[in-house]
Amino acid sequence: SQQGEEDPQALSIQEGENATMNCSYKTSINNLQWYRQNSGRGLVHLILIRSNEREKHSGRLRVTLDTSKKSSSLLITASRAADTASYFCAMTGANSKLTFGKGITLSVRP
Amino acid sequence: EPEVTQTPSHQVTQMGQEVILRCVPISNHLYFYWYRQILGQKVEFLVSFYNNEISEKSEIFDDQFSVERPDGSNFTLKIRSTKLEDSAMYFCASRGLAGFNTGELFFGEGSRLTVL
Repeated sequence: SQQGEEDPQALSIQEGENATMNCSYKTSINNLQWYRQNSGRGLVHLILIRSNEREKHSGRLRVTLDTSKKSSSLLITASRAADTASYFCAMTGANSKLTFGKGITLSVRP
Repeated sequence: EPEVTQTPSHQVTQMGQEVILRCVPISNHLYFYWYRQILGQKVEFLVSFYNNEISEKSEIFDDQFSVERPDGSNFTLKIRSTKLEDSAMYFCASRGLAGFNTGELFFGEGSRLTVL
């Protein structure tokens, strides 16, 4: 199974701090994506990194991918209270099916 | 901005009843998906649908489940005889041709199913 494992399961930080979330997976992937889910809402795509890429930026988001370690990290810089949400890594393999991890609950204290 | 819409937002049903969850994918998208999320747990793949047929399904998607694209705009998930453990948030997602290369899925806000 390609299912990702995020780490930590929960993260609580102060507004303005950086939040780093990690994801590990088991088999080879085509790409890895991060999604955000506000409580009781749908999933929103944040950023995608392809298997041949090592780092990508989008606004306050920075994602890295290490295929040798089968791991990825999502960094949110200068966090805001509005960043409070669950964050999921999801990966696509050869069959193009998107498989999600269990998610990380991020709480940003104002 | 185009979006995936799902109805109902919340449905309460008695065990054993049939439920139909409806989704309107983004209009020019070709790939459609159902996922579910039991409260507080992971997002689980149920089924993918392309060219009017199921392209892949998970072990969760047993004979009690079916999907249909009845009219070219709606994409429905039917649960024939609901069980308590079917209680979950069900998410519909769609992807266009461009998204096939990028992998990006667009998700609806979900339909919460409560089976009593």
